[in-house]
Amino acid sequence: QSALTQPPSASGSPGQSVTISCTGTSSDVGGYNYVSWYQQHPGKAPKLMIYEVTKRPSGVPDRFSGSKSDNTASLTVSGLQAEDEADYYCSSYAGSNIVVFGGGTKLTVL
Amino acid sequence: QVQLQESGPGLVKPSETLSLTCTVSGYSISSGYYWGWIRQPPGKGLEWIGSIYHTGNTYYNPSLKSRVTISVDTSKNHFSLKLSSVTAADTAVYYCARDALFMSGGNSWGQGTLVTVSS
Repeated sequence: QSALTQPPSASGSPGQSVTISCTGTSSDVGGYNYVSWYQQHPGKAPKLMIYEVTKRPSGVPDRFSGSKSDNTASLTVSGLQAEDEADYYCSSYAGSNIVVFGGGTKLTVL
Repeated sequence: QVQLQESGPGLVKPSETLSLTCTVSGYSISSGYYWGWIRQPPGKGLEWIGSIYHTGNTYYNPSLKSRVTISVDTSKNHFSLKLSSVTAADTAVYYCARDALFMSGGNSWGQGTLVTVSS
């Protein structure tokens, strides 16, 4: 199982929207609706932001949204705020009771 | 509200076995969910190590399977990780997590613990 592919970096100005992609295969992202997104600030544990492709845990702002098309999942952050600057990781169930993660994307708020 | 806390040695010698325990509070492991371990080498991304169900069924990352053992003790409400024959490449922050297979709405992580492999 290979890691999911994410762009190393993304950026946007406050108030703008930014989308981060997560590309896998039909054996993981494309095959299951168990794609999750995590936000990680330096020195902190990852925080679940999106699960099952589009669902938001309680407490996560609705500025964060998820979607999926074929083998690519996406995380969109609307109305960027300074505190959104962090690393973002995607993960997907890959069948056979295995999980794969993306390599991570560093989001910079300009 | 569930809380997870990793514990174990912060320094392990090469070729030895890394052992960590995740103590769960605020939720009974026996109530459900897959419980697991994820690691993050310094400055790098996340890697899923494996998961266990409260019944004891285990699932491992194929790349680590030969060296990993995850076990659960429902009486103590904790689960454990053993990684054998460690090298410097196993130096990482190790996180334990709930809902660590489908990573869905029950997903919750511990704060992580740094384990360094060095002589």
